[in-house]
Amino acid sequence: DAMVIQNPRYQVTQFGKPVTLSCSQTLNHNVMYWYQQKSSQAPKLLFHYYDKDFNNEADTPDNFQSRRPNTSFCFLDIRSPGLGDAAMYLCATSRDRIAVEAFFGQGTRLTVV
Amino acid sequence: DAKTTQPPSMDCAEGRAANLPCNHSTISGNEYVYWYRQIHSQGPQYIIHGLKNNETNEMASLIITEDRKSSTLILPHATLRDTAVYYCIVRVLDTGNQFYFGTGTSLTVIP
Repeated sequence: DAMVIQNPRYQVTQFGKPVTLSCSQTLNHNVMYWYQQKSSQAPKLLFHYYDKDFNNEADTPDNFQSRRPNTSFCFLDIRSPGLGDAAMYLCATSRDRIAVEAFFGQGTRLTVV
Repeated sequence: DAKTTQPPSMDCAEGRAANLPCNHSTISGNEYVYWYRQIHSQGPQYIIHGLKNNETNEMASLIITEDRKSSTLILPHATLRDTAVYYCIVRVLDTGNQFYFGTGTSLTVIP
């Protein structure tokens, strides 16, 4: 059974049109992460939530925002997608900050046209 | 930031042991070595982690050198389903430290 669920698996959006990707988890984990993975590259951490505490990576563009309305859900908002934002977006969770393991969803592949 | 160096690609014959090296020469005393793998079109999956001692679980073995500057992930009997990108990560097991991925090794298991 999927524990970290990302919807949709594939998303097509227009250049400059805001888009939201969603992630839900059934693990009741405190930490939720968002990664961006471009073709043939490693996942790159964008930000994470520890409970309601938002932590942005220093090099994450302002175009990327996130919301976590409750423990189970986390959203990635891209305010004005550019062609360079086409990528796989991965959501992950961990029990807490010192947890050994992070659990990843299947990802959402974003195409910008 | 990633602090590891891995070969970009490797091949392994099916049924043989796959030995994936990782260099982490600047590792700190409180940093653990983690291995994850990512099968095509899926999210990364945890394999194993260790600090100083060698570790083994149902998926793999992890050998860490005495000076902790390098490690090797061993898949004892590689199968076609082990074809994936393998990431070596160093991480402090402490508050606030995250999972930063390096470039990884693309392992192809050949029939």
